[in-house]
This record gives sequence, structure tokens and C-alpha cells, in this order.
Amino acid sequence: AQKITQTQPGMFVQEKEAVTLDCTYDTSDQSYGLFWYKQPSSGEMIFLIYQGSYDEQNATEGRYSLNFQKARKSANLVISASQLGDSAMYFCAMREGRRAGGTSYGKLTFGQGTILTVHP
Amino acid sequence: DGGITQSPKYLFRKEGQNVTLSCEQNLNHDAMYWYRQDPGQGLRLIYYSQIVNDFQKGDIAEGYSVSREKKESFPLTVTSAQKNPTAFYLCASSIGPGSTDTQYFGPGTRLTVL
Repeated sequence: AQKITQTQPGMFVQEKEAVTLDCTYDTSDQSYGLFWYKQPSSGEMIFLIYQGSYDEQNATEGRYSLNFQKARKSANLVISASQLGDSAMYFCAMREGRRAGGTSYGKLTFGQGTILTVHP
Repeated sequence: DGGITQSPKYLFRKEGQNVTLSCEQNLNHDAMYWYRQDPGQGLRLIYYSQIVNDFQKGDIAEGYSVSREKKESFPLTVTSAQKNPTAFYLCASSIGPGSTDTQYFGPGTRLTVL
């Protein structure tokens, strides 16, 4: 069974500072994908960044980077130069790997989320 | 503009009634998904479909039903058998089995049972 753990219910950061949101995962699959989504108060889930289990380099997308430590099974999201608009709920999610026979099913397992508040 | 639309945005239902939530995508994605989110929680998978005319139960399918007659559409029916249907429902789609298979979400429907 897969499990995603986000241990920080809430985080606060000063505008223009960097912040790290923690995510650890548990899986027996060798091939898997890790995702981060942002959910503002409007409710829509916005895709931020993806890291594949076989990717050797940490993923980056603009101000977002994923600190992937495979041996520790962690996939922390780093937001640099925080902005007021970054205030939202952030979810870490994992997609299980391919099944026997080559069929891949993309179910996402989500963590409980971390509420980020950016102060001016 | 390509994207995923869900309607209605807010839905109120009396106990004992079935209601259907709409989800449409024009991204030409093969796979579509329905998730449920309760306050302060992550998302849980209700149903998913990898191809037209085929769908599978997710983790919490009891009390829900779906259909996938068209590639663009994946409606979710919340039946009277669902004991606690008040929640936020999110529809997603993805290209299908592939390298990243990123899921993109619609704006959601907030269902309240009166």
C-alpha cells in the first residue's frame, strides 16, 4: 500500500523568503511519480511540479523545485522568493508504477496537505 | 481554451435524491478521474476511466456511479446510497499511460445535502 505523509499542517513564511514543505512517501514500487499541487481558496487543484522515481536530477519549475531524496523517500517542495499569492494549501501526491503486463494506471494518492501563509 | 469544466459549481440536494455532477474536457485526454475532498483532507479517488466505455472503482466507490460514453465527458452520479455525500468533488483528466501522466483538475463542485 502507498502512503504519503505531510507532517506540517501549517507553515508561515515572510514574503520574498524561501520555504520548504515536507513530504515523505512509502511504496514498494520501483517506478513511481511524485507530484505537488497547489489548492487556493477557490478549490481548484493546480499542478506545480513532477518528479519521476528514475529522474537523477531534482525537478525545477520556475520558483518551485523538488528536493528528491530517494533513499530517504522524501520529496520536499521548495518555493523560492515567496509571494502573497503563494498562500494556499499544498498537496504532495504519488502515482503508483506500472503493473505487470505493461498496463499503467495513474491513481494518485494524496497527503493531508500543508497550509502555507505568506506574510507581507 | 483547453481545459476541464465542471458544473454546477454549487449543488444542494435533499436526502434521498440522486444528483449528477458534470465533467467535460477538451484536452483530448484518454483518462478521467473523480475525487472527493472532505474539509481539511486530501483527495480520495471515487472512480476512474482510462478509455471510453470503460471505468473502474477507486477507493471509495460505494454510493456513486459513473459513465463514459464519450471521450470528453465523465459524469458522476451521487446516489441516495451514499451515506455522507456532502463534500467537494473534483474531476481530473490525463493523457493516459505514459511517462508522467500528469492529472489536470477542473474547478470542482461543492455538494451539500440538506
